[in-house]
Amino acid sequence: AQSVTQLDSHVSVSEGTPVLLRCNYSSSYSPSLFWYVQHPNKGLQLLLKYTSAATLVKGINGFEAEFKKSETSFHLTKPSAHMSDAAEYFCVVSFGSGNTGKLIFGQGTTLQVKP
Amino acid sequence: KAGVTQTPRYLIKTRGQQVTLSCSPISGHRSVSWYQQTPGQGLQFLFEYFSETQRNKGNFPGRFSGRQFSNSRSEMNVSTLELGDSALYLCASSLGTTNTEAFFGQGTRLTVV
Repeated sequence: AQSVTQLDSHVSVSEGTPVLLRCNYSSSYSPSLFWYVQHPNKGLQLLLKYTSAATLVKGINGFEAEFKKSETSFHLTKPSAHMSDAAEYFCVVSFGSGNTGKLIFGQGTTLQVKP
Repeated sequence: KAGVTQTPRYLIKTRGQQVTLSCSPISGHRSVSWYQQTPGQGLQFLFEYFSETQRNKGNFPGRFSGRQFSNSRSEMNVSTLELGDSALYLCASSLGTTNTEAFFGQGTRLTVV
């Protein structure tokens, strides 16, 4: 069965330090992978996506993620955290054609950024 | 270009009632998907409509239904509301082809009392 696991429910960093949010997936097919961010009382915003092109994907606001097939991982990183990065982050998987509208979400990671 | 619009933003309903939520996708998008977000279960897929046909369905009871109109606007209906249906309901639109990303609306916050 297809699934996605976010390894940390809560991550706390200081402003200006690196961010690492971890995500592993399980799939029998070639997945499309996404990271979305949700600020309080807001909808979900796409940060970046992987669709079998380059394994290192750059997104908005300085975020990037690396697809590692051997580790079935798609971790999200940012070199320097900003206060405005505090939010809920979701690793999301979509599997194969014909299922493009069905996204499977991880449980989310709350990122706290301390001054 | 306008984003995904969900109406209403907030709803309070009584147990046993029914409710209809509306979603207007981005112009040109033919796929609309619905998700339920709760603190306990996270984000769960309800169903997807593409060109007025249900293309995918999640594991929700038959009280949850939807439809899509020829202009791609979609509605979701929940009948015989239960307290556990209280959630944020999110709509996402996409082109509906392989590997295209979904764009989400701000959601409808449903409270069942």
